[in-house]
Amino acid sequence: SQTIHQWPATLVQPVGSPLSLECTVEGTSNPNLYWYRQAAGRGLQLLFYSVGIGQISSEVPQNLSASRPQDRQFILSSKKLLLSDSGFYLCAWRRHDSNQPQHFGDGTRLSIL
Amino acid sequence: QKEVEQNSGPLSVPEGAIASLNCTYSDRGSQSFFWYRQYSGKSPELIMSIYSNGDKEDGRFTAQLNKASQYVSLLIRDSQPSDSATYLCAQGGGTSYGKLTFGQGTILTVHP
Repeated sequence: SQTIHQWPATLVQPVGSPLSLECTVEGTSNPNLYWYRQAAGRGLQLLFYSVGIGQISSEVPQNLSASRPQDRQFILSSKKLLLSDSGFYLCAWRRHDSNQPQHFGDGTRLSIL
Repeated sequence: QKEVEQNSGPLSVPEGAIASLNCTYSDRGSQSFFWYRQYSGKSPELIMSIYSNGDKEDGRFTAQLNKASQYVSLLIRDSQPSDSATYLCAQGGGTSYGKLTFGQGTILTVHP
């Protein structure tokens, strides 16, 4: 069966510091991968998605970037965090080329001080 | 632009009742719809997928899709306090990118 791992679960960072969140998927190959952010009490905002290694599409221009160095690894980064980057960050995967749903990791709760 | 609208809620039902959650969508092109449940502080969990007109039942959950009227609903029978959560409706994009358009969610509270 497929599993998705995200870490860390919780992170507290000062304004201006860098960020690296990692997501890995097991049990499948060539998945579609997604990064979302959910602000407190708000809906899901798609940040980036990837359909293959090195292929990144950005949905919203912002202070973040994403990379996919390996087939089942997706990384969300920032060089300098802003207060507005606080939120719940979710990674999701889906089978490539199918009509299947997305499946979410447990998320990272990021607080910026 | 694709839009998915959910009944704003919050929705409160007594234990044992039927909870009805509704969702309308603007894009007729997609063939896939999903319901996710999100407990407070947790990530969304898929509970139902529906791809064709009509009803799909899974245990206490029934998803209904009406493409002519562009709505999808979720019925929860014999509601339990453990069903209290935010329910997210999502529409698939119909392409290999697999992007989903999410509604804002409906908060459901089941009181004993």
